[in-house]
Amino acid sequence: KNQVEQSPQSLIILEGKNCTLQCNYTVSPFSNLRWYKQDTGRGPVSLTIMTFSENTKSNGRYTATLDADTKQSSLHITASQLSDSASYICVVRDDNAGNNRKLIWGLGTSLAVNP
Amino acid sequence: DGGITQSPKYLFRKEGQNVTLSCEQNLNHDAMYWYRQDPGQGLRLIYYSQIVNDFQKGDIAEGYSVSREKKESFPLTVTSAQKNPTAFYLCASRLDRGPNNEQFFGPGTRLTVL
Repeated sequence: KNQVEQSPQSLIILEGKNCTLQCNYTVSPFSNLRWYKQDTGRGPVSLTIMTFSENTKSNGRYTATLDADTKQSSLHITASQLSDSASYICVVRDDNAGNNRKLIWGLGTSLAVNP
Repeated sequence: DGGITQSPKYLFRKEGQNVTLSCEQNLNHDAMYWYRQDPGQGLRLIYYSQIVNDFQKGDIAEGYSVSREKKESFPLTVTSAQKNPTAFYLCASRLDRGPNNEQFFGPGTRLTVL
């Protein structure tokens, strides 16, 4: 079982609508949680990084939330645009020295924004 | 894609041939990484380097080799020992000053072994 689970696997919305993507993780302890946007055939681009003590962080129309008690994070996209069509990946930094404090990558949610 | 370049964007090789993927960064970042991305799987770490002339194996290093002779360059060689080399390869770099600095990714190289 993946330590970082994302839902839904894919999502289709109409331009201008809002949407929320979910990330559940079991990594513990962790130092930070990141959301990346990856366009097809391109490298991922960082949207937000939240430490374990932060609850929310915004980047334009993207707002990420974190509940470290329930080990859940969400990414809310407001007033979606066609250019938001991409894969959104949740990544958790494992803070265990024995695991080399590596990044644990989710499989991503594929978002399609239709006109 | 920041200041990280990967070349070429598409690469085709015959089975049994070694191939080297280029990664260069002008961000003055200390750490550099190589990942592999396959359909239906999260990014997997192949090798990483936190300082010049030093590198460490990631989760799937078998069949790959790297070098870090210069701070700005971290080439990856896919050897004939890698059993399933066809994949999308991503290079990343990070200013290694604490755990909360983000990784910047290059545009990727799609390798197809025929």
